[in-house]
Amino acid sequence: KAGVTQTPRYLIKTRGQQVTLSCSPISGHRSVSWYQQTPGQGLQFLFEYFSETQRNKGNFPGRFSGRQFSNSRSEMNVSTLELGDSALYLCASSLGQLDGYTFGSGTRLTVV
Amino acid sequence: GDSVTQMEGPVTLSEEAFLTINCTYTATGYPSLFWYVQYPGEGLQLLLKATKADDKGSNKGFEATYRKETTSFHLEKGSVQVSDSAVYFCALTPTGNQFYFGTGTSLTVIP
Repeated sequence: KAGVTQTPRYLIKTRGQQVTLSCSPISGHRSVSWYQQTPGQGLQFLFEYFSETQRNKGNFPGRFSGRQFSNSRSEMNVSTLELGDSALYLCASSLGQLDGYTFGSGTRLTVV
Repeated sequence: GDSVTQMEGPVTLSEEAFLTINCTYTATGYPSLFWYVQYPGEGLQLLLKATKADDKGSNKGFEATYRKETTSFHLEKGSVQVSDSAVYFCALTPTGNQFYFGTGTSLTVIP
């Protein structure tokens, strides 16, 4: 079966711009989570959605937002980009409970 | 709060050597524990998991045992291969809604 698909794979944006990243979870997975991965901070939790509702949110500023659609696909948006937002953004989906995540390959965002 | 501490790398081993990557955790209640592996340029892949005390997760020759008394979940492999070179992450979830990851341990296996 198809895995978690993230688009685009690579993105270069300028400071002050906004960006939208997309994630298609594994069919049947209703839980979608987003993480930011950087060499200095490791994996940091952004938010988790289940059935179009945000269930958990990490400690990120309001510039980071997300949503989930009725087909479980999810998007995250970052507004007013800063250089420090350069990172690998990983989406993960799960059947829920304690099954563990299946991760996508990530979107590498570079802010210049 | 909940957290995971894993040994810092990088770790360099010769092929067929024994591997141990230490992982300890802090959590209230009874979390589930995981090991994930990340190959260059890719996302994380679930390697193994354990959902209750004394459970042993295993996959591809890797093993880890959920030790509640020592709050540990050390990853082991008896004989590593060059293809095992990757970054390994220990993780826990208390509820399944949010995961807490360690900082990752880079492993390089040389022929």
